[in-house]
Amino acid sequence: KQEVTQIPAALSVPEGENLVLNCSFTDSAIYNLQWFRQDPGKGLTSLLLIQSSQREQTSGRLNASLDKSSGRSTLYIAASQPGDSATYLCAVYFIVRQAGTALIFGKGTTLSVSS
Amino acid sequence: NAGVTQTPKFRILKIGQSMTLQCTQDMNHNYMYWYRQDPGMGLKLIYYSVGAGITDKGEVPNGYNVSRSTTEDFPLRLELAAPSQTSVYFCASSYFPVAESTDTQYFGPGTRLTVL
Repeated sequence: KQEVTQIPAALSVPEGENLVLNCSFTDSAIYNLQWFRQDPGKGLTSLLLIQSSQREQTSGRLNASLDKSSGRSTLYIAASQPGDSATYLCAVYFIVRQAGTALIFGKGTTLSVSS
Repeated sequence: NAGVTQTPKFRILKIGQSMTLQCTQDMNHNYMYWYRQDPGMGLKLIYYSVGAGITDKGEVPNGYNVSRSTTEDFPLRLELAAPSQTSVYFCASSYFPVAESTDTQYFGPGTRLTVL
């Protein structure tokens, strides 16, 4: 059974620091992997989607990498800002019956960036 | 294009009551999903549908029922509410069936349900 783990569970950093969030999964036979951001009491905002054939994706100050063989993905945030404070969720896609897909989520890393 | 919409935003139920969480998407997606998120946890799949008239169980289906009579709507029914169903419920949809693509799931804003 696929399990997704995110480390650390919480992280506090001063503004301007570069940081790395970690995600690991138990079954390397995944398809896409996606990073989401969730603000308190809000829904999910997609940050980056990495296809299984790709090794990384970049968007602005965010860079996500994927290493299927080791079952790991990292989200790198450069020059962190207070507005980056949120919970970051990692999720992997898997095939469900009848050829659909669904997501398995980690518990998230809650990031707090102080000014 | 409203995307995925969910109603209500908030609801308080008493134990044993029933309710239906509504989900509608206007992107003509065949695939729709219901997830629940408990405090401090990731989302878990409750039910999904690959098209009108076709539904299947996810990881945590007990206590819920779904139906899919149209492409746009995917309601989630709670028959006998229990405190363990206190959670935030997210509906999502996607177009492509195969995960090896640039397909992403689009999420609604969520329904926050409390059962007392």
